[in-house]
Amino acid sequence: DGGITQSPKYLFRKEGQNVTLSCEQNLNHDAMYWYRQDPGQGLRLIYYSQIVNDFQKGDIAEGYSVSREKKESFPLTVTSAQKNPTAFYLCASSLLTGKRYGYTFGSGTRLTVV
Amino acid sequence: KQEVTQIPAALSVPEGENLVLNCSFTDSAIYNLQWFRQDPGKGLTSLLLIQSSQREQTSGRLNASLDKSSGRSTLYIAASQPGDSATYLCAVNQHGSSNTGKLIFGQGTTLQVKP
Repeated sequence: DGGITQSPKYLFRKEGQNVTLSCEQNLNHDAMYWYRQDPGQGLRLIYYSQIVNDFQKGDIAEGYSVSREKKESFPLTVTSAQKNPTAFYLCASSLLTGKRYGYTFGSGTRLTVV
Repeated sequence: KQEVTQIPAALSVPEGENLVLNCSFTDSAIYNLQWFRQDPGKGLTSLLLIQSSQREQTSGRLNASLDKSSGRSTLYIAASQPGDSATYLCAVNQHGSSNTGKLIFGQGTTLQVKP
């Protein structure tokens, strides 16, 4: 079955450490997105990518970085510059430009700072 | 700036009741609106997608309507079941400078259906 796979499901980060969240899709979708979900704040867009080797900042990109070397993969790195990284991270994808097609989401990664 | 609001924030109903969840948005320049379901600690599952030119979509016991001019959408759940207990999120795909549009979410309605 086609879908989006996020790993790991749970991730723990020490202060000052960079961590990378994986997102892989086999839907042949062009666009991929990273969202952050915090209690009481809903989902906020971190980064998105429309094509390979190109990506744009969303609303809360500071302290995060991404790459899009393959169509299927869009990893997110949470750097030490992100002061409050504890959250639930969701990856999504959509066909073409997403204008007429819905978004498909992964199962999420819960990141906790220890 | 587009704002999406969902009312109520929480809802508790007895099993078998029909119910309506509300979603409103401030800017009608949207491509489509999507309703999602989220179970605790899980990702989002798409329920219904309504294009801006459509008035409603149906899937099983679910019916979603869209009135773009008034900035409103409703999700109607018929004959609710305990398995329907979850958080329901509304999101609009906003016109933007990029080709992807932009998905903007409401904060959700948490539904509890009691047996």
